[in-house]
Amino acid sequence: GDSVTQMEGPVTLSEEAFLTINCTYTATGYPSLFWYVQYPGEGLQLLLKATKADDKGSNKGFEATYRKETTSFHLEKGSVQVSDSAVYFCAHSYNTDKLIFGTGTRLQVF
Amino acid sequence: DVKVTQSSRYLVKRTGEKVFLECVQDMDHENMFWYRQDPGLGLRLIYFSYDVKMKEKGDIPEGYSVSREKKERFSLILESASTNQTSMYLCASKGIAYNSPLHFGNGTRLTVT
Repeated sequence: GDSVTQMEGPVTLSEEAFLTINCTYTATGYPSLFWYVQYPGEGLQLLLKATKADDKGSNKGFEATYRKETTSFHLEKGSVQVSDSAVYFCAHSYNTDKLIFGTGTRLQVF
Repeated sequence: DVKVTQSSRYLVKRTGEKVFLECVQDMDHENMFWYRQDPGLGLRLIYFSYDVKMKEKGDIPEGYSVSREKKERFSLILESASTNQTSMYLCASKGIAYNSPLHFGNGTRLTVT
């Protein structure tokens, strides 16, 4: 069935380090792909999205590219800040209003 | 900005009680969702609604019901709360396009003792 797999955390980095959080998906067809972020004590909020192959979503210095050939949507940031500490969720949807989420990856920046 | 408001931030209830979790959105969205979030399990869909008085089961509907009498309001009901329903509950809404994003409330942390 359709699913999303993302790397287990926590990911611990020092400030200004490079971040990669891996995400792969299985889906029927070509889904829309999303990254959501959850800051402490808050609900999830959309960070970025891509709706077709080779699209790059970007926001707040974060980027992710829709790779159809590897069914991946890895999240990257060139220089993380303490304020980026949060839980990051990868998700997809295909011809449905329901999103399928990964289990989340906690990022800790010190 | 879309605002999704969950009526309670923290709730403590006793086993067997009937529990109501309320959610209101202000953007005239057709679709509304209830998820629960547990460590290591991510978000799991309980129920969703794509219109007033319409509802569909998600992945884990057992022990829950929902009500959508008005477009802006979507309620989650625990008919008889149990300790395994202790969790963070997240409400969300979205527009009708498949690739439109979900907008989440801040969550209700429910503890059943």
